[in-house]
Amino acid sequence: SQQGEEDPQALSIQEGENATMNCSYKTSINNLQWYRQNSGRGLVHLILIRSNEREKHSGRLRVTLDTSKKSSSLLITASRAADTASYFCATDEDYKLSFGAGTTVTVRA
Amino acid sequence: SQTIHQWPATLVQPVGSPLSLECTVEGTSNPNLYWYRQAAGRGLQLLFYSVGIGQISSEVPQNLSASRPQDRQFILSSKKLLLSDSGFYLCAWSAEQSGGEKLFFGSGTQLSVL
Repeated sequence: SQQGEEDPQALSIQEGENATMNCSYKTSINNLQWYRQNSGRGLVHLILIRSNEREKHSGRLRVTLDTSKKSSSLLITASRAADTASYFCATDEDYKLSFGAGTTVTVRA
Repeated sequence: SQTIHQWPATLVQPVGSPLSLECTVEGTSNPNLYWYRQAAGRGLQLLFYSVGIGQISSEVPQNLSASRPQDRQFILSSKKLLLSDSGFYLCAWSAEQSGGEKLFFGSGTQLSVL
């Protein structure tokens, strides 16, 4: 089944810096979503961007989608220690979402 | 408001023992329900999904089964656990019948098969 792939696998930044991670996928999509997972917990939905949208903002999050390149990026601005987590992109296929392996972000104080 | 409950949070089971993980959703009706498994440091693998009572779709042939005896109840089972069944199991639901909309996840069950 289709699956997004995040890049990089891991990212370490200083508090206050921006964090950018990318997601590539293989086939046509209706929407692409980003989720966050704190260690040992369930995933939390962050943002959904539809295939006819190019950019979307939510607070300190900015997501872009380039359907011609089959890629998306998630930018977290002015990072905080609380942003330390794994971030996953997910693409839809019928009733299901397929998740990538995630990007682990560590924000150093 | 909608909530999802998943239990237990942690489970240690011997090889060959049975398994039953339960997930219930409150505050919504006729949700799509999902079981995912996550290996340590990895992404999520979809195991089963259900669009209605008694309707179960399996994504990966394996030692597990799922049932949906009630609209908002989803159960993951095994008759005999294998070492390879260890992992972090996540239940999730979505509201849209057309699928592909955002998922709401439970807090997960860490299963260790020894």
